Amino acid sequence: DTGVSQDPRHKITKRGQNVTFRCDPISEHNRLYWYRQTLGQGPEFLTYFQNEAQLEKSRLLSDRFSAERPKGSFSTLEIQRTEQGDSAMYLCASSPQAGVGTEAFFGQGTRLTVV
Amino acid sequence: KNQVEQSPQSLIILEGKNCTLQCNYTVSPFSNLRWYKQDTGRGPVSLTIMTFSENTKSNGRYTATLDADTKQSSLHITASQLSDSASYICVVSAKAAGNKLTFGGGTRVLVKP
Repeated sequence: DTGVSQDPRHKITKRGQNVTFRCDPISEHNRLYWYRQTLGQGPEFLTYFQNEAQLEKSRLLSDRFSAERPKGSFSTLEIQRTEQGDSAMYLCASSPQAGVGTEAFFGQGTRLTVV
Repeated sequence: KNQVEQSPQSLIILEGKNCTLQCNYTVSPFSNLRWYKQDTGRGPVSLTIMTFSENTKSNGRYTATLDADTKQSSLHITASQLSDSASYICVVSAKAAGNKLTFGGGTRVLVKP
């Protein structure tokens, strides 16, 4: 499968624990995005990378959230001291260098449940 | 503030019928508008992508329209099938800010037999 891959697909964790998600983008894509989606809502932007540089972070990304893309390939999203409000689907997308008609491809998402 | 508003929030239609979903946006400067289909528990999948100069684009039974002057788009589903049951999300990209995508809240479509 040469699409965007996310791991794990599902994660259940206790409140206060740390979790880390991984995203492997399509190999030629140098832009990588993270979104969060709660039930019944559209995805909300969290952050994006151009190669290894994190170019923008949403105010939704509190101090407990950190994202990295160390070699400009895969990315990780870590949530520290999880709270019940962090329960959501975390989506990753990748795209080639931005252009007017640039397509973004999404992974299947990681569903996080904080109990 | 860049926003994308979709209506209706949800709708139920009978198999074989047509329906139209609406999307209004304030994203500027506009780069492109996409419609995605998202099945429950899965990532969004692109249906169409339209740039400023395109008014209509079709993908099988899905037809999207764009009026860049009024900043409105619609997605028309023809002869609906049970597999069309999903959320349809309008996504607008701004030329600035790295082509960041702004998502609408989606319209949940349920097709009944």
